[in-house]
Amino acid sequence: DAGVIQSPRHEVTEMGQEVTLRCKPISGHNSLFWYRQTMMRGLELLIYFNNNVPIDDSGMPEDRFSAKMPNASFSTLKIQPSEPRDSAVYFCASSSQGNDYGYTFGSGTRLTVV
Amino acid sequence: QKEVEQDPGPLSVPEGAIVSLNCTYSNSAFQYFMWYRQYSRKGPELLMYTYSSGNKEDGRFTAQVDKSSKYISLFIRDSQPSDSATYLCAMKTGSSASKIIFGSGTRLSIRP
Repeated sequence: DAGVIQSPRHEVTEMGQEVTLRCKPISGHNSLFWYRQTMMRGLELLIYFNNNVPIDDSGMPEDRFSAKMPNASFSTLKIQPSEPRDSAVYFCASSSQGNDYGYTFGSGTRLTVV
Repeated sequence: QKEVEQDPGPLSVPEGAIVSLNCTYSNSAFQYFMWYRQYSRKGPELLMYTYSSGNKEDGRFTAQVDKSSKYISLFIRDSQPSDSATYLCAMKTGSSASKIIFGSGTRLSIRP
C-alpha cells in the first residue's frame, strides 16, 4: 500500500487566491482527518469524516475553509480566499473504524501564502 | 488549560544516553495513549501505543502510563542520531467516536 497520498507537496500562492489541497486515504480506511501544523499551535484537527460524512468540523478556523469527501478514496481541503496566516503544513490522515491505536498520516502539504 | 501538555524542548543529548519524554493531561477519561515520531518534513508516524495504565516495551523504547498522576512517559535507551525527531504524545477516550488529542511535540536531537 502506498500510504496516505497528499498533493501538492508544496504550494506557494498569493493572498486572496484559492488553494485546494488533495488527499487519497489508505484503501479500506473509512475515517479521514485534516490537520494543520504550525510552530505556534502544534497539530490542530480541522475536520474529520467517517464513511465520507463530515462528523466534526469544529476545528475549521472560519468560513474561508471548506472540506469535501465525494467518495471513499478522495478528499479536498479548500481555502478561499487564502491569507498569510494560513501558511502552515496541512496533513491528511486516515484510519479504519474500530482502530483505537492511531492514524496513518500523509507527508503533508506545505502551504505558503505571500 | 490545554487537555494535553508537552514540553516543546528542544532537548539535546549525547549518543547512547537515556532519553525521557513526558506529557501530562487533564481528561481522566483518556484510555488510549500513543507516541508519534515525526521526522523533519514528514508526517507523524505511530511509534507506540498503550491502553490504560502500565508499561510497554518495544526494543529500545518503553512507554509508561500513570493514570493516577495523569502522566505519560516515553523512554529511549541507547539513543541514536537516527532518533533525532519530534515526538508527539497523543491520547483518546474509550469512545469509538472520540478523536485523538495530540501534544505539541518535543524536539529531540541526539549528538553523535
